[in-house]
Amino acid sequence: QSVLTQSPSASGTPGQRVTISCFGSRSNIGSYTVNWYQQLPGTAPKLLIYNNNQRPSGVPDRFSGSKSGTSASLAISGLQSEDEADYYCASWDDSLKGVFGGGTKLTVL
Amino acid sequence: EVQLVESGGGLAQPGRSLRLSCAVSGFTFDNHAMHWVRQAPGRGLEWVSGISWNSGSIGYADSVKGRFAISRDNAKNSLYLQMKSLRPEDTAFYYCAKDTGSGGGGGPAALGNWHFDLWGRGTLVTVSS
Repeated sequence: QSVLTQSPSASGTPGQRVTISCFGSRSNIGSYTVNWYQQLPGTAPKLLIYNNNQRPSGVPDRFSGSKSGTSASLAISGLQSEDEADYYCASWDDSLKGVFGGGTKLTVL
Repeated sequence: EVQLVESGGGLAQPGRSLRLSCAVSGFTFDNHAMHWVRQAPGRGLEWVSGISWNSGSIGYADSVKGRFAISRDNAKNSLYLQMKSLRPEDTAFYYCAKDTGSGGGGGPAALGNWHFDLWGRGTLVTVSS
């Protein structure tokens, strides 16, 4: 059972906009920033969004992040087939540990 | 080339020990906090442990506290995870990950910025009799 809650799956068609949500509590998302990781099949995770809404260099601006209260969202616009992957939110927790969401498997139909 | 290469995984019986290593190249190792993150086959990511640049701050997930020990040797550009009293639920791919920050401050900043911008390919640990 992950500390942060994500829907197990999401889907969209090419060109569509998809949103993935992450729910936490006051002790984690409510107090600290949120990061998002993309994990393509058979590969290591990759940092996609940090500090709620910042993109590392090289990440397309089709990916955007936001946070409100104890929840966060990752939006992907202009969905492409290569976006099919698992997406994880992550944050810090007052219990002095890092926490991840359970992951959302994005399928591009 | 900027990379992290994990090693030391394998099959271990319950109750036994393993030591994982992560060899670092291509960046200034002692400028960064480092972390271990694991992923059971077909499951999600779980943060295991983190260490600041100078080993002054260390943290563990509750699931491994008291059994695992993280360490680093900045002279050798290497990160380690000593795992003892292994359990079947420790079976997972273990990734080492580079933090964008150095850590050493107070609160969550003690273990870095909590952004992992470089990951190794992982090493598989299987705990089974």
